[in-house]
Amino acid sequence: DIQMTQSPSSLSASVGDTVTITCRASQNINYYLNWYQQKPGKAPKLLIYTASSVQNGVPPRFSGSGSGTDFTLTISSLQPEDFATYYCQQSFTTPALTFGGGTTVEIK
Amino acid sequence: QVQLVQSGAEAKKPGSSVKVSCEASGGTFSTHAINWVRQAPGQGLQWVGRIIPVFRKVDYAEEFQGRVTITRDESTASVFMELSSLRPEDTAVYFCARDKAQGVAGLDVWGQGAMVTVSS
Repeated sequence: DIQMTQSPSSLSASVGDTVTITCRASQNINYYLNWYQQKPGKAPKLLIYTASSVQNGVPPRFSGSGSGTDFTLTISSLQPEDFATYYCQQSFTTPALTFGGGTTVEIK
Repeated sequence: QVQLVQSGAEAKKPGSSVKVSCEASGGTFSTHAINWVRQAPGQGLQWVGRIIPVFRKVDYAEEFQGRVTITRDESTASVFMELSSLRPEDTAVYFCARDKAQGVAGLDVWGQGAMVTVSS
């Protein structure tokens, strides 16, 4: 099974900061990596698919990069509505999907 | 734009079964797969299984093989997830979510979630 490891597990940041979250796969997953945002009591929302493609309607301050085993989600100029938990998910072994453990972005 | 509408919260006893529904409102499933993902309280996301409704093709996570059954009803554009032999650790919110593109581009439409509580 492919394991997905996110870091950090949580971080504190201020509005306007640039935030970077990393996700590492236990083996090569090419570019089959997706990112989600989840707010308390809500369903996850797809932000980035296939490592770097931005989902329709997602603000351009969200970007993704990486391939192989190492991936990054960057949020430029953090906004109040961006405080949430972020998950990576590999789809290399589709239909079986694996998620990372999550990164919670909190207000400093 | 299709929306996924799930059934309500359920409270079950250990050893019993639960069946959660997911209806495509405002559209059809087409060839998109519908996945089930669960989230225990305060925990991360775990894939349970999926169905491609048009082809009735199902896949299950190894952990749930033998305990989970995913079915569909095309007449109501609904998908169902039944989990049997429930344990307290099955307490979670169960989400249905649609494949964006054959499963490789993420899950782009999600239901609101259904809380399943297993307790004696």
